[in-house]
Amino acid sequence: DSGVTQTPKHLITATGQRVTLRCSPRSGDLSVYWYQQSLDQGLQFLIQYYNGEERAKGNILERFSAQQFPDLHSELNLSSLELGDSALYFCASSASNPGTRNEKLFFGSGTQLSVL
Amino acid sequence: LAKTTQPISMDSYEGQEVNITCSHNNIATNDYITWYQQFPSQGPRFIIQGYKTKVTNEVASLFIPADRKSSTLSLPRVSLSDTAVYYCLALNAGGTSYGKLTFGQGTILTVHP
Repeated sequence: DSGVTQTPKHLITATGQRVTLRCSPRSGDLSVYWYQQSLDQGLQFLIQYYNGEERAKGNILERFSAQQFPDLHSELNLSSLELGDSALYFCASSASNPGTRNEKLFFGSGTQLSVL
Repeated sequence: LAKTTQPISMDSYEGQEVNITCSHNNIATNDYITWYQQFPSQGPRFIIQGYKTKVTNEVASLFIPADRKSSTLSLPRVSLSDTAVYYCLALNAGGTSYGKLTFGQGTILTVHP
């Protein structure tokens, strides 16, 4: 158990809908990362927050947004869903400041999103 | 992020030692090399991290030569449960990759009975 909690574990929805994925980092970790993993794209970095502030952005679509709350949990919002958004979405947390050379990520078990 | 290159796949047999090499030619002076393991439908798991020479823990060893342009993850006496994807990461000091911990395609290790 990594200590990172993601809910829900599975999510089935229809095209055009909006969903929210939730992540609770390990106790004390200030950094939260979001990744998308699909069969053809591998593990793609989406966005990163540190202590409530957005610190880095990857290939995140405009239909997607995220935030980190004062209690450090984070939510990833996916809207106007398309079939291609079906993937595993992982959250990871780290105790380090972003960009620390020896940063270690601890991943949750992911949310499997299926868009039908 | 320093571009890393790993073999796409490797095969081994139970009880053998497996060495997976990662190339990171443009690694920055202060960057560490980190390896993760991922099982199907699970999040990646941190295995080992090092800066130079050799690091060993209860799971694996990491060998890093003096020029640090490559690193080798060594898994002693693998078992079927070591079948997974292994990722090598090296954070680049270029500034533009700040915070963007990006995973490459990884190495699919298959351990056969």
